[in-house]
Amino acid sequence: QQPVQSPQAVILREGEDAVINCSSSKALYSVHWYRQKHGEAPVFLMILLKGGEQKGHEKISASFNEKKQQSSLYLTASQLSYSGTYFCGTESNGNNRLAFGKGNQVVVIP
Amino acid sequence: NAGVMQNPRHLVRRRGQEARLRCSPMKGHSHVYWYRQLPEEGLKFMVYLQKENIIDESGMPKERFSAEFPKEGPSILRIQQVVRGDSAAYFCASSPMEGNEQYFGPGTRLTVT
Repeated sequence: QQPVQSPQAVILREGEDAVINCSSSKALYSVHWYRQKHGEAPVFLMILLKGGEQKGHEKISASFNEKKQQSSLYLTASQLSYSGTYFCGTESNGNNRLAFGKGNQVVVIP
Repeated sequence: NAGVMQNPRHLVRRRGQEARLRCSPMKGHSHVYWYRQLPEEGLKFMVYLQKENIIDESGMPKERFSAEFPKEGPSILRIQQVVRGDSAAYFCASSPMEGNEQYFGPGTRLTVT
């Protein structure tokens, strides 16, 4: 089952913060976050395993609420390089099969 | 350390022809995954392979599509008798072991005319 990502698009100025969300109707084993720029490959950002842990990558951090079956990605003090489409990939029952949402398009302007 | 490699990067085929897409995983990675992406859409899982084994092909159409990952050489995704609806970007990812992050290749953009 495909996770739902929201909001669909975010426009923010350099230095501003944003939160993007990923929700699933199924119990989750892990959540994987990727960023993809137009015409390029998705780039791995981080993986979160069930247990409610939080991780960080530069000024991008994420949380995983296992009970609510959702994950949030926090973009702090955004940089122009953060622009792109963010995809969450969710894994149920440890089968390595990722179901991806439709993405959150993030545009950071000067 | 070279990343995941895919070739060709762009492939044009006429309806009815065959398309062969190749993927070489990162060094030390023995798990390969194939995904298809339509414009403005997310990635759709197709198949998960280990060397000489298909682990999960539940996302792959039963007809015309096949995948392999031989003991030597790259993983191959083969599409026979292509149709216009097969036009998409096909991404390959690899991981070193189960449960680890998947690293994506640059993709092959297939256009069927």
